[in-house]
Amino acid sequence: SYELTQPPSVSVSPGQTARITCFGDALPKQFVYWYQKKPGQAPVLIIYKDTVRPSGIPARFSGSVSGSTASLTISGVQAEDESDYYCQSADSTDSYPQVFFGGGTKLTVL
Amino acid sequence: QVQLQESGPGLVKPSQTLSLTCTVSGASIMNGDYYWGWIRQPPGKGLEWIGCIYNSGRTYYNPSFESRVSISVDASKNQFFLEVTSVTATDTAVYYCARVDGGGYCSGGRCYVYFDPWGHGILATVSS
Repeated sequence: SYELTQPPSVSVSPGQTARITCFGDALPKQFVYWYQKKPGQAPVLIIYKDTVRPSGIPARFSGSVSGSTASLTISGVQAEDESDYYCQSADSTDSYPQVFFGGGTKLTVL
Repeated sequence: QVQLQESGPGLVKPSQTLSLTCTVSGASIMNGDYYWGWIRQPPGKGLEWIGCIYNSGRTYYNPSFESRVSISVDASKNQFFLEVTSVTATDTAVYYCARVDGGGYCSGGRCYVYFDPWGHGILATVSS
């Protein structure tokens, strides 16, 4: 089965840099995507294809991949960045995608 | 601007079928080249992918749901649907519909599937 492993929580002070990791065996060959999920709101795509930031997403959000570990970095964290963050990827089974999400990381801004 | 809106009953009895509708505006399911998907989030837990559908009716599902899940589409109404049969309390969740971006396929061993945008979600509770 396919799995993505994230730390349950990350804490950072305002203005500091937060780094959220996502580990998965499929990541060396598959793209990773990142979503921001606030309570009561729909998830929002913040990084796609490992490193690409959609229009409208602040430049302080960035993505990177090294081997089996993807990282979401938030530079100069703001209070409004407090949220749950999920990584997502996909792998093929009989030529059809199987989609899987990480367990989510709660970012706390101290 | 593409928008999605989930609708359906908020309460379902155990062993019955949960049926949800996703209505798309700002884009045509019939004329577009997109898959459309369902994802859920049980209370206090993470996101779980359910399945995806193309306008032709081609589908692929999360195998963890076995045969309990069915996704269908009515492109003429710009809607797609989710049915989950034999529900239990563990099916209680906020259900989201979303457009599949990136293509929704695998090619050369690499897959191109992500979700943007999402609907606001609907809470479906399984309880007697």
